[in-house]
Amino acid sequence: SQQGEEDPQALSIQEGENATMNCSYKTSINNLQWYRQNSGRGLVHLILIRSNEREKHSGRLRVTLDTSKKSSSLLITASRAADTASYFCATDAQGNTPLVFGKGTRLSVIA
Amino acid sequence: DGGITQSPKYLFRKEGQNVTLSCEQNLNHDAMYWYRQDPGQGLRLIYYSQIVNDFQKGDIAEGYSVSREKKESFPLTVTSAQKNPTAFYLCASSLAGGPVPFFGPGTRLTVL
Repeated sequence: SQQGEEDPQALSIQEGENATMNCSYKTSINNLQWYRQNSGRGLVHLILIRSNEREKHSGRLRVTLDTSKKSSSLLITASRAADTASYFCATDAQGNTPLVFGKGTRLSVIA
Repeated sequence: DGGITQSPKYLFRKEGQNVTLSCEQNLNHDAMYWYRQDPGQGLRLIYYSQIVNDFQKGDIAEGYSVSREKKESFPLTVTSAQKNPTAFYLCASSLAGGPVPFFGPGTRLTVL
């Protein structure tokens, strides 16, 4: 069963704008991660946030986690055409369980 | 260079034939995973293995089989029992207990 659900399913913005994607999940988690996938390629890990963390930054990426609402958001600032990709959230629960992925958000950044 | 190799990148098979997808890693990772991705969808777990000679079913194991005879290899066989095998297959590996798996480039399987 898929744990995370990303919102929106697709997002189109102009270069230089910020992009925000949201992820909701159903059960308690240990970690939440965000991945990027370029068309037809493998997944690239972007950032991991632990259940006891509320916010994390990495370069132009900002991730927040609200465990009370079972939701997370990924903000990409000053977007570039090269950010065009699908973005997935993935969660794992306690006990060394495999990652469970959402269906992703397709981001298009128009130059 | 350390990484995960999946071969081939594209695979075509006739309906009713079994086919084996290769996944090899030289990262010395203990755990390995197989995911399936359909167009516009997220990844669904097929099988995973946390140690050699042991593996567990994921959410969609029916019609698939795996083996884990060596730490670095985790081949996936798509059998004729899999009703709709055309998909993109991703292999991943991670350290034991490590939360961040490293993904291979994927194999796109098309059944004609």
